[in-house]
Amino acid sequence: LAKTTQPISMDSYEGQEVNITCSHNNIATNDYITWYQQFPSQGPRFIIQGYKTKVTNEVASLFIPADRKSSTLSLPRVSLSDTAVYYCLVGPLSGGYNKLIFGAGTRLAVHP
Amino acid sequence: SQTIHQWPATLVQPVGSPLSLECTVEGTSNPNLYWYRQAAGRGLQLLFYSVGIGQISSEVPQNLSASRPQDRQFILSSKKLLLSDSGFYLCAWSRTSRATYEQYFGPGTRLTVT
Repeated sequence: LAKTTQPISMDSYEGQEVNITCSHNNIATNDYITWYQQFPSQGPRFIIQGYKTKVTNEVASLFIPADRKSSTLSLPRVSLSDTAVYYCLVGPLSGGYNKLIFGAGTRLAVHP
Repeated sequence: SQTIHQWPATLVQPVGSPLSLECTVEGTSNPNLYWYRQAAGRGLQLLFYSVGIGQISSEVPQNLSASRPQDRQFILSSKKLLLSDSGFYLCAWSRTSRATYEQYFGPGTRLTVT
């Protein structure tokens, strides 16, 4: 699995757009990029997954440049409830089951 | 819809005591099941995963074990707890119909070994 690097923490204010970047220089051709969100004392929650270019859902957008060596999770107009830890994971899809390896993640604090 | 249950929610156990944490999934069949542990202020560590009844794969050598006696039941056990076993234990499931990193996590069990 490709090693990922994320900022340890970020601060933002309500209503702002937040972009969290993840570096994965050794990403392999068949690797996908997945982001999870975790609130205190809860299990992680799947946010978004992508392979290249841009993916958007009702929660976030994921931007992946052509070289795929990094990716950016974009959260539009954050609120206090978006305060959480965000994890970037990179790895291949194989065999119907996948082992998630979580790093330390990015702790996002949204202020009023 | 699918739901995942874990119990107990919190547990305080003395060193050397046994452990049994249970996880059940409803609303799906033949899921892949996972046990993770999160130490305070750290990321998640995969402990065990299972692709079917009686099929367990261990990721980290330790004094913990896992069993899957039924399709949607996953149990984490220990014969003798260590202080280092303290942490937040999470069970998760994923579909087997398609390969994806989308996993669904339970509410977790916070274990404190004293």
